Amino acid sequence: DAKTTQPPSMDCAEGRAANLPCNHSTISGNEYVYWYRQIHSQGPQYIIHGLKNNETNEMASLIITEDRKSSTLILPHATLRDTAVYYCIVRVQGSARQLTFGSGTQLTVLP
Amino acid sequence: GAVVSQHPSWVICKSGTSVKIECRSLDFQATTMFWYRQFPKQSLMLMATSNEGSKATYEQGVEKDKFLINHASLTLSTLTVTSAHPEDSSFYICSAGGTGTGQPQHFGDGTRLSIL
Repeated sequence: DAKTTQPPSMDCAEGRAANLPCNHSTISGNEYVYWYRQIHSQGPQYIIHGLKNNETNEMASLIITEDRKSSTLILPHATLRDTAVYYCIVRVQGSARQLTFGSGTQLTVLP
Repeated sequence: GAVVSQHPSWVICKSGTSVKIECRSLDFQATTMFWYRQFPKQSLMLMATSNEGSKATYEQGVEKDKFLINHASLTLSTLTVTSAHPEDSSFYICSAGGTGTGQPQHFGDGTRLSIL
């Protein structure tokens, strides 16, 4: 699976959009970009995933660049409960393999 | 709602005790489940891959005789930490799913194991 690079930490004001970047310059054509988050002392929570088109669900939006070498997770209106470590993971969909977690980005939403 | 259930959520026990953790897929069958361990301020590290009806596959450095994995049905995998010692204290997390098109992998809420 391709390696990803994320900033170690970010702050965001409550009510503002949180934009979390991820670089995955070695991504292969059949690899998807997955985003998970982990709130303190809980298991990781699935947020969204995509291949090359932008995706949106009730939690977030995922913007993938045209060359697929980077992506941005957008939380449109961050709340205090969105404070968590966010992980960007690249993986072949449908694979029976595990998810490989990097260090992620600690997002702190400030009141 | 949760699609992967993990039990118990918290265990405190004496050194030398064996502890069993259960991981259940609630509304789907999982031929493969994964067990991770997470130490404070670190990321999740894969311990082993649990395969229904066959032996688990362990990552390098993980003792298979200490961390016993049983995946006897398509909805249940168990991790038993045998003769636990304080250094085994950690956050243990299981996951399942994600092997089908469009389906992400889901995680349990984790088990906080504290060995005194």
